[in-house]
Amino acid sequence: SAVISQKPSRDICQRGTSLTIQCQVDSQVTMMFWYRQQPGQSLTLIATANQGSEATYESGFVIDKFPISRPNLTFSTLTVSNMSPEDSSIYLCSVAENPKLYEQYFGPGTRLTVT
Amino acid sequence: LAKTTQPISMDSYEGQEVNITCSHNNIATNDYITWYQQFPSQGPRFIIQGYKTKVTNEVASLFIPADRKSSTLSLPRVSLSDTAVYYCLVGDIAMNRDDKIIFGKGTRLHILP
Repeated sequence: SAVISQKPSRDICQRGTSLTIQCQVDSQVTMMFWYRQQPGQSLTLIATANQGSEATYESGFVIDKFPISRPNLTFSTLTVSNMSPEDSSIYLCSVAENPKLYEQYFGPGTRLTVT
Repeated sequence: LAKTTQPISMDSYEGQEVNITCSHNNIATNDYITWYQQFPSQGPRFIIQGYKTKVTNEVASLFIPADRKSSTLSLPRVSLSDTAVYYCLVGDIAMNRDDKIIFGKGTRLHILP
């Protein structure tokens, strides 16, 4: 299974600012995903990061708020823009190979607190 | 409409076998059943996946009846370290943009000494 790292592991940010989270994989992977998990809650898929093209966002998430880059098959970034306290959450990236969409491997997560 | 329904929480004791059942009445023909385990402050970990009958690996067994409307994750001889949240997911394993990856509420399993 792939080894996934995320940076930063945690951060405290002021409202109105932006934070970029990095996800690095130790091998090339077909699919990369970004999730949000509020404390004590389940995971919600934000978007699928597509290499070389725009990310595919789930309902309720928009590119202006969560711009995503995926410049190659081992790296992706998620930016949380114009943050508010409601954005306080854990953000996780995951990877998978097609056709193993549901066999995903997750990074350790980034814990974001917005004050 | 939720794809899966699981008990919110379960308690068990060390050394016991634990069975967590997931209901998925609307499972589609191409859907597989996948289970994840999540410890506090960690990302979910893939445990097991199956389509029908029984699947077993070094961690768990997955039992799926013929109608596939439910499934049971079986953890043999649990220990305190098995305390975690367990998620059941159903969906087509091939990339299908009509399919939504949905993590339900999960089952919070608490193992007691």
